[in-house]
Amino acid sequence: EVQLVESGGGLVQPGGSLRLSCAASGFTFSSYAMHWVRQAPGKGLEWVAYISSGSSTIYYAGSVKGRFIISRDNAKNSLYLQMNGLRAEDTAVYYCAREPSIAARPQFDYWGQGTLVTVSS
Amino acid sequence: SFELTQSPSVSVSPGQTASITCSGDELGDKYVCWYQQKPGQSPVLVIYQDSKRPSGIPERFSGSNSGNTATLTISGTRAMDEADYFCQAWDSSTASYVFGTGTRVTVL
Repeated sequence: EVQLVESGGGLVQPGGSLRLSCAASGFTFSSYAMHWVRQAPGKGLEWVAYISSGSSTIYYAGSVKGRFIISRDNAKNSLYLQMNGLRAEDTAVYYCAREPSIAARPQFDYWGQGTLVTVSS
Repeated sequence: SFELTQSPSVSVSPGQTASITCSGDELGDKYVCWYQQKPGQSPVLVIYQDSKRPSGIPERFSGSNSGNTATLTISGTRAMDEADYFCQAWDSSTASYVFGTGTRVTVL
C-alpha cells in the first residue's frame, strides 16, 4: 500500500524556518517525481515545488522561489521541504504528492495527509 | 502567468448530471487532470490526461478538454460526490503546475 506521511509542521514566527519531511512507503520511491502542494485555511490548492526522481530537476512556484528548498533522500525514502524566511501567507496545510509520469503531466496519484504550518507571532 | 478559472459553485440534484468547467488560455493544448477533495481530507485524483480515470474511480466521472475549456462531468450524481473539485495543468513556459480556483459541488 502506497503511503506518504508528512511531519514537521507547527507554529513558527515570521522570518523563521521550518523543515518538513515526507516519509514514503509501499512503492519504489527512487523511481518517482515528487511534489509539495499547500492549501491555506479555507482556500484552494497551490503547487509549491517539484523534484525529479534523481533530484536532477527542481522547480518552484514563484511565491516560494529563493526561500524554500525541496530535496530528497532516496536511500531513506524521504522528501523534504526546507522553508526559510516564512511569512504569514505561508500558513497552510502542506501535502506531499507523487507524480507517476512526467510524460503525461500533471497527475498526482497519491497524497499524504498533510501537515499544518502556522506562521504567526 | 498562466491561470485556470473555475466557477465557484455548482448545485445538482441527486441522479442528475453535474458539469464543472475549467478555463485557461489554449488549455486544449495541455493535459488536464481533476481532483476531488472532501472536507478534512486530502485530494483524490479522479481524472488525468483529460479523460482517463484512475483505478477505483467510478465510471460516472468523465472528462474532456478542447479549446480553452476543460470539463469534468459527473453523471448520475450521488450525495457522496459532494466535494470541492480542482483542475490542474502543466505550464511548460514557466515550468509550473497550475491548479484551478476550485468548484464546490453541492448535491441538493
